[in-house]
Amino acid sequence: AQSVSQHNHHVILSEAASLELGCNYSYGGTVNLFWYVQYPGQHLQLLLKYFSGDPLVKGIKGFEAEFIKSKFSFNLRKPSVQWSDTAEYFCAVTYNNNDMRFGAGTRLTVKP
Amino acid sequence: NAGVTQTPKFQVLKTGQSMTLQCAQDMNHEYMSWYRQDPGMGLRLIHYSVGAGITDQGEVPNGYNVSRSTTEDFPLRLLSAAPSQTSVYFCASSYSVPGTNSPLHFGNGTRLTVT
Repeated sequence: AQSVSQHNHHVILSEAASLELGCNYSYGGTVNLFWYVQYPGQHLQLLLKYFSGDPLVKGIKGFEAEFIKSKFSFNLRKPSVQWSDTAEYFCAVTYNNNDMRFGAGTRLTVKP
Repeated sequence: NAGVTQTPKFQVLKTGQSMTLQCAQDMNHEYMSWYRQDPGMGLRLIHYSVGAGITDQGEVPNGYNVSRSTTEDFPLRLLSAAPSQTSVYFCASSYSVPGTNSPLHFGNGTRLTVT
């Protein structure tokens, strides 16, 4: 079955540190890739998405992600995190256009 | 626009009881779906619908029924609640199927506890 793996369950960083959250997906042909963020007490919001073209995609709030097809990966990065980035981050993949699968999520805590 | 509206926000059920979680969207979205969110497991797709009258199963459909009689509404029914269904439930919608350039819009969630 198609699956999405996020390697880090909980990441703790200090403000201004760089962030990289891992995401790998199982092979399933053509995929579309997403990162969603869930701030405390809120619903999920789209950070960025990749459909085709430039494998380095930029999203909101300074986040970016790189699609590496050979590694089945779509890691999320931010050069300098802020306290307000404290949230849970979910990688998601669509395999057949109808079915979006999410990873287990990575909780990010940024210490001021 | 209100977006995606879920009711209730909280619910406590006894084992064996039935209930319906409501979801409505006012964005004329064709695609709607239900997810459950459990600690350490992320969001898992329960059921989805690509349009009125059309529904399909996701990853974890057992114990849940859905119907889509209108574009706006996509209720999720628990016919006989079990403690394993204790979770946070999210409804989501998008203009078209998620694989297109059409992001999911999420509701605020329903926290369900089954005792």
